[in-house]
Amino acid sequence: AQSVTQPDIHITVSEGASLELRCNYSYGATPYLFWYVQSPGQGLQLLLKYFSGDTLVQGIKGFEAEFKRSQSSFNLRKPSVHWSDAAEYFCAVDGAAGNKLTFGGGTRVLVKP
Amino acid sequence: NAGVTQTPKFRILKIGQSMTLQCTQDMNHNYMYWYRQDPGMGLKLIYYSVGAGITDKGEVPNGYNVSRSTTEDFPLRLELAAPSQTSVYFCASSIRDRGHQPQHFGDGTRLSIL
Repeated sequence: AQSVTQPDIHITVSEGASLELRCNYSYGATPYLFWYVQSPGQGLQLLLKYFSGDTLVQGIKGFEAEFKRSQSSFNLRKPSVHWSDAAEYFCAVDGAAGNKLTFGGGTRVLVKP
Repeated sequence: NAGVTQTPKFRILKIGQSMTLQCTQDMNHNYMYWYRQDPGMGLKLIYYSVGAGITDKGEVPNGYNVSRSTTEDFPLRLELAAPSQTSVYFCASSIRDRGHQPQHFGDGTRLSIL
């Protein structure tokens, strides 16, 4: 069965500093990986996805993520965070035929001025 | 373009009451999903549908029912509300004609059972 672990429940970062969110997955074959962001009171918005090819993928809002098969990881990064990046971030894997996502528990990001 | 629309946005129910959470999408997506979100637990799949007339259980289906009579609509029904069903419910949809595609989410229904 597929699973996703986000080791950090909360991360606090200063505005302008870099951000890295960790994601580890478990799946027997090539995974399809996603990062979603959820602002307070809102639904989930897709940041980026990895299906195949280049292991460094670019997303919206200046985010990028790197797929490392050897480490079963798909970490999300942003070079310089803005106050508007305060939100909860979810990593998800889709490996089943039914296009069913398995989510990690989420990482809540707080941005200090 | 409305995307995925969920109603109501908030609801308080008493134990034992029933209700239907509505979900509709205008993107002609064949796949639709219901998730529940509990603090620190991410999203758990309740039910999903691969097309009109076809539904299947997800990870946490107990206490819920679904139907899919049209491509656009995928309502979720709670028959006998229990406190354990207090959660935020999200509906999502995706298209499946080109392999794995991202899911599009509604804004959620916040449900409290008292």
